Amino acid sequence: AQKVTQAQTEISVVEKEDVTLDCVYETRDTTYYLFWYKQPPSGELVFLIRRNSFDEQNEISGRYSWNFQKSTSSFNFTITASQVVDSAVYFCAQGTNAGKSTFGDGTTLTVKP
Amino acid sequence: EAGVAQSPRYKIIEKRQSVAFWCNPISGHATLYWYQQILGQGPKLLIQFQNNGVVDDSQLPKDRFSAERLKGVDSTLKIQPAKLEDSAVYLCASSLASGRPNTGELFFGEGSRLTVL
Repeated sequence: AQKVTQAQTEISVVEKEDVTLDCVYETRDTTYYLFWYKQPPSGELVFLIRRNSFDEQNEISGRYSWNFQKSTSSFNFTITASQVVDSAVYFCAQGTNAGKSTFGDGTTLTVKP
Repeated sequence: EAGVAQSPRYKIIEKRQSVAFWCNPISGHATLYWYQQILGQGPKLLIQFQNNGVVDDSQLPKDRFSAERLKGVDSTLKIQPAKLEDSAVYLCASSLASGRPNTGELFFGEGSRLTVL
């Protein structure tokens, strides 16, 4: 069975600070997929990124970056120079080959002006 | 491109009543999911369809929940009879991917918020 743990329930930062959201997963699958989704106050979950288990390259997209470490079963998400619009609940998820995604309980990020 | 459509957005019912939610996925998306999101928690998968067949309904409480996807497009999720603990947001999501590996990202609707009194 898959399990995703996001130990940080809530994080509060001041605008322009960097912030890292932690994600730890458990799976017995050799091939799997990792995702991050953003859920703004409006409620609709929005896809941010997908990584395959065989590709440990880190990725940067503008102010967002992701660090995938198979050795520690972690897939952390860093926002550089945070902005108020980054305030949301962020979910990490782990997916199987059959397309089933297991979500963590989310981290609520509040960015204060 | 139109997103995933869900209705109703809000529903309030009393326990033991029934309720139905409707979902229209993104055109061409083969895989459709229903998730339950209880306040303060992440989405929990209820059922996964590929076209009009069920792929995974292992976590669907079949004594009270049912779902169907007719003609491989729209889907309905029904709860009968509802319990207090069914109060949650019911999210529909779709994915373009089909077959194996099914690795596509999910596109979510705005959700249907159910309150059971």
